[in-house]
Amino acid sequence: NAGVTQTPKFQVLKTGQSMTLQCAQDMNHNSMYWYRQDPGMGLRLIYYSASEGTTDKGEVPNGYNVSRLNKREFSLRLESAAPSQTSVYFCASRGLAHNEQFFGPGTRLTVL
Amino acid sequence: AQSVTQLDSQVPVFEEAPVELRCNYSSSVSVYLFWYVQYPNQGLQLLLKYLSGSTLVKGINGFEAEFNKSQTSFHLRKPSVHISDTAEYFCAVTSGYSSASKIIFGSGTRLSIRP
Repeated sequence: NAGVTQTPKFQVLKTGQSMTLQCAQDMNHNSMYWYRQDPGMGLRLIYYSASEGTTDKGEVPNGYNVSRLNKREFSLRLESAAPSQTSVYFCASRGLAHNEQFFGPGTRLTVL
Repeated sequence: AQSVTQLDSQVPVFEEAPVELRCNYSSSVSVYLFWYVQYPNQGLQLLLKYLSGSTLVKGINGFEAEFNKSQTSFHLRKPSVHISDTAEYFCAVTSGYSSASKIIFGSGTRLSIRP
């Protein structure tokens, strides 16, 4: 079991460029989440998907879009990157039987 | 609405000393509470959780936490810390058991251990 995997691990973008962060889980979990982590602010929820085929906005959705491609995969897209989106992005998943979330290793994104 | 407050952003302690990381929550309904640990340049991993039953919860690496409903607290403790406990610790709360309910995280407490 790989758990939750994220690609890429690091990325540098120029302002205005687009990119997609990939996330996959092999635990057959229903729910998946995208967070950003900034110093002193903890984790802030960007979008989540309670089940395949559904997505909902979290606390800080502006500038992002998501796709729940299937039960395993949940991608986060930045259409036009801005320096304010420089952050570490974490994907997480959560099953019905276990209440906690399982986290991926993160993607460190820098927007110049 | 739920919220989580971690009262200390940084806690420095000496090796082998006891430590307490404080967490208070607000919620109008029953809650489930978690502590996660994040080692440098890694993702978060679960330290312990309170779902129901005994209010004293034991986790990995010698950590424990006590759920106090009247004080709406879930403080994390360890009687004797090691250098390897240097990490950031996050308290989190959710009110729903289903996977559709969101988990709200505190802003984190950075634990630094001095030799």
